[in-house]
Amino acid sequence: EAGVVQSPRYKIIEKKQPVAFWCNPISGHNTLYWYRQNLGQGPELLIRYENEEAVDDSQLPKDRFSAERLKGVDSTLKIQPAELGDSAVYLCASSLDGGVKNIQYFGAGTRLSVL
Amino acid sequence: AQSVSQHNHHVILSEAASLELGCNYSYGGTVNLFWYVQYPGQHLQLLLKYFSGDPLVKGIKGFEAEFIKSKFSFNLRKPSVQWSDTAEYFCAVNGNNRLAFGKGNQVVVIP
Repeated sequence: EAGVVQSPRYKIIEKKQPVAFWCNPISGHNTLYWYRQNLGQGPELLIRYENEEAVDDSQLPKDRFSAERLKGVDSTLKIQPAELGDSAVYLCASSLDGGVKNIQYFGAGTRLSVL
Repeated sequence: AQSVSQHNHHVILSEAASLELGCNYSYGGTVNLFWYVQYPGQHLQLLLKYFSGDPLVKGIKGFEAEFIKSKFSFNLRKPSVQWSDTAEYFCAVNGNNRLAFGKGNQVVVIP
């Protein structure tokens, strides 16, 4: 069974440029998450989708970050414009549902460097 | 809000030594607890979990964790580590439908 697939694995951009990350969850998983992991820290939730609906986006910096999950399958996270402080690993995860006992499966992440 | 504390961010030990990683959480209600592991070059994966019942849970690769409700703790243990246990270990809690992670423990096992 294929796991959570993310692309690209690495991205280097200059500040003020836009960037996008793509995620394909495990087949059949209704819930999709985007996390940001800063160096030396644990992952922090940015947004959670139940199917195509964003049900928890309270920690998403909406002035520059946006996300979509069209058709309730794969998802895209965008930053426009990127700032130096956005350098981090962006993780996507999925689970069967969004309950508190759900097991989240993580992708390999996209490491973003903003110069 | 829920939060997780992990101490001793960097741990170095020799093969066959015992490992214990501390995890304390802050949340007033019922919690579900997890340990995730990230091996070098790999993605985060579940090591073990606690939802209810026996507070001593066993996971993959000989790891176990004990939930002590009165201490708000969920410490991870392994009696005898191997070089292949070199990884970063994250404790996480889900009490309000949001998974909160600690800062992680970077564990290096010397052959």
